[in-house]
Amino acid sequence: DTAVSQTPKYLVTQMGNDKSIKCEQNLGHDTMYWYKQDSKKFLKIMFSYNNKELIINETVPNRFSPKSPDKAHLNLHINSLELGDSAVYFCASSQDRQRGIPLHFGNGTRLTVT
Amino acid sequence: GDSVTQMEGPVTLSEEAFLTINCTYTATGYPSLFWYVQYPGEGLQLLLKATKADDKGSNKGFEATYRKETTSFHLEKGSVQVSDSAVYFCALSAGGAQKLVFGQGTRLTINP
Repeated sequence: DTAVSQTPKYLVTQMGNDKSIKCEQNLGHDTMYWYKQDSKKFLKIMFSYNNKELIINETVPNRFSPKSPDKAHLNLHINSLELGDSAVYFCASSQDRQRGIPLHFGNGTRLTVT
Repeated sequence: GDSVTQMEGPVTLSEEAFLTINCTYTATGYPSLFWYVQYPGEGLQLLLKATKADDKGSNKGFEATYRKETTSFHLEKGSVQVSDSAVYFCALSAGGAQKLVFGQGTRLTINP
């Protein structure tokens, strides 16, 4: 069974559209994250949720809105897509709030905005 | 703020060569340190970790030692294989920040 699964794996869309990426984890973890990986492989956190509560919101345009219906799911909705949104988006989860607890990552969603 | 700096890639080696990928960090307090590996088309996987000074993390023949005096966590392997070709990320978690701060990644290619 996949621990952290994201859908879709690939997403190609036009500028101005609205799209969503879904993420589910079956590890029983309390915290989930969205990371963005740009074309140079640089990874940066976007959001994290703990038990459905937003705890980290790094300087991300408000066109990006995470939604956590329960602690096993963290979806990412993007409005008015722009060319610069093209990247690979990774969902991840971890056991609890303590530092030193590593993250489990999904396989990524490659978003291409044309 | 907290940051991680890795050696510039790409790194290309022959099979059975010795590998070192340098990683240094800046952080307040005493961070935990990690190495992740990303194989083509996949998400990151934890390779090894160390949570306090002088700890050595190891896995799959890879090792890294937490050096507080030099703020480093260099990744080493004695004899690399073609299957080790991937992108390697150094990361830290500090101050209860509940997030990882990643380095820029180092692409490693091993030729047969």
